[in-house]
Amino acid sequence: NAGVMQNPRHLVRRRGQEARLRCSPMKGHSHVYWYRQLPEEGLKFMVYLQKENIIDESGMPKERFSAEFPKEGPSILRIQQVVRGDSAAYFCASSPTGARGKFFGPGTRLTVL
Amino acid sequence: QQQVKQSPQSLIVQKGGISIINCAYENTAFDYFPWYQQFPGKGPALLIAIRPDVSEKKEGRFTISFNKSAKQFSLHIMDSQPGDSATYFCAGQEASGSRLTFGEGTQLTVNP
Repeated sequence: NAGVMQNPRHLVRRRGQEARLRCSPMKGHSHVYWYRQLPEEGLKFMVYLQKENIIDESGMPKERFSAEFPKEGPSILRIQQVVRGDSAAYFCASSPTGARGKFFGPGTRLTVL
Repeated sequence: QQQVKQSPQSLIVQKGGISIINCAYENTAFDYFPWYQQFPGKGPALLIAIRPDVSEKKEGRFTISFNKSAKQFSLHIMDSQPGDSATYFCAGQEASGSRLTFGEGTQLTVNP
């Protein structure tokens, strides 16, 4: 039973480019969460999605960031016009309906040059 | 209201010793308190969790102690091993919401 999968594991972008991060939840999990971890800091909630719905996006920056979890395929976190301050590790987590525990993926480490 | 305060920021323990990490929360709506373990370059992994209706939960060498009136909880690692060296995060979660609010993390080093 594969865990949460994220790709790419490492992503390098130049300022102004777009970054697209993908997350495939564990089999049977319909809830997806994105967290950001800045260097030497804890994890900060960004967004919570279910299939085709954004449930809570209160942690998302107002501009340049968007997320989706389509009916088919992985969840996507998109960062437009990246800036150096976007450099961080982005983690996706998933959970089944009714469960409190969340399972995290290995993360995507974004570096903005 | 949403913060979880974690201490110490870093901790060095000798092999066989007891590691203790403390957390304090403000949000009284939290009803689930997990601890996560993270190794360098990896994602956080759920270690142990507690609900506020119990004061202690033990799983192997890991124990959570919970003080509801003080709004504090702690992780105790007994007989600490070098393989326990990692960053540990506490968190809180509301029943109504699903997001986790994490503490700042504690970097644990267990010397052989």
